[in-house]
Amino acid sequence: GAVVSQHPSWVICKSGTSVKIECRSLDFQATTMFWYRQFPKQSLMLMATSNEGSKATYEQGVEKDKFLINHASLTLSTLTVTSAHPEDSSFYICSARDSPIYTQYFGPGTRLTVL
Amino acid sequence: SQELEQSPQSLIVQEGKNLTINCTSSKTLYGLYWYKQKYGEGLIFLMMLQKGGEEKSHEKITAKLDEKKQQSSLHITASQPSHAGIYLCGAESIQGAQKLVFGQGTRLTINP
Repeated sequence: GAVVSQHPSWVICKSGTSVKIECRSLDFQATTMFWYRQFPKQSLMLMATSNEGSKATYEQGVEKDKFLINHASLTLSTLTVTSAHPEDSSFYICSARDSPIYTQYFGPGTRLTVL
Repeated sequence: SQELEQSPQSLIVQEGKNLTINCTSSKTLYGLYWYKQKYGEGLIFLMMLQKGGEEKSHEKITAKLDEKKQQSSLHITASQPSHAGIYLCGAESIQGAQKLVFGQGTRLTINP
């Protein structure tokens, strides 16, 4: 199946700093990517839909100024957590949809820890 | 909004036994996905079902979507330790919307 990568796989940062997470579709083009957040022992919660060449669509309750999303190309979307705080510590997972098959493939996730 | 209810929330079975995980919605399911996740890792795509009554199998895992497209089941035959993990069902909240809502997951443990 199609492969989606994320970088970094884990990151530790100080409170107040910004962190960028990359999501790449390695062998297919994705006009739409999705960013999810997962807390321990909980399911995935959709944060936003990332559209190539246009603004992201955020889910209700997600601060767009805090979680900046950029979908610069058909294979790359980035999520920047700005002015991170300990409550932003979580597991962030991206997904991309393989258009011909219409299957969503997920990245391996990025564990963010804010001290 | 669409809510997906998975049952059971956790399951412990003896190696070699069969098991079934259910995913139920009060609304019609569009693009029903099954994924497997190991703790702290990403989701591994298992199967996608779209048509009422559809059934797909891969190795020892079979997924079904009922005729009304409101319930899906995942059945594992002759379970093995490699089947252990968290199983998640996800579905498009609106037909064609692409974004997925997920059930709370089923934690599967296989005892040798």
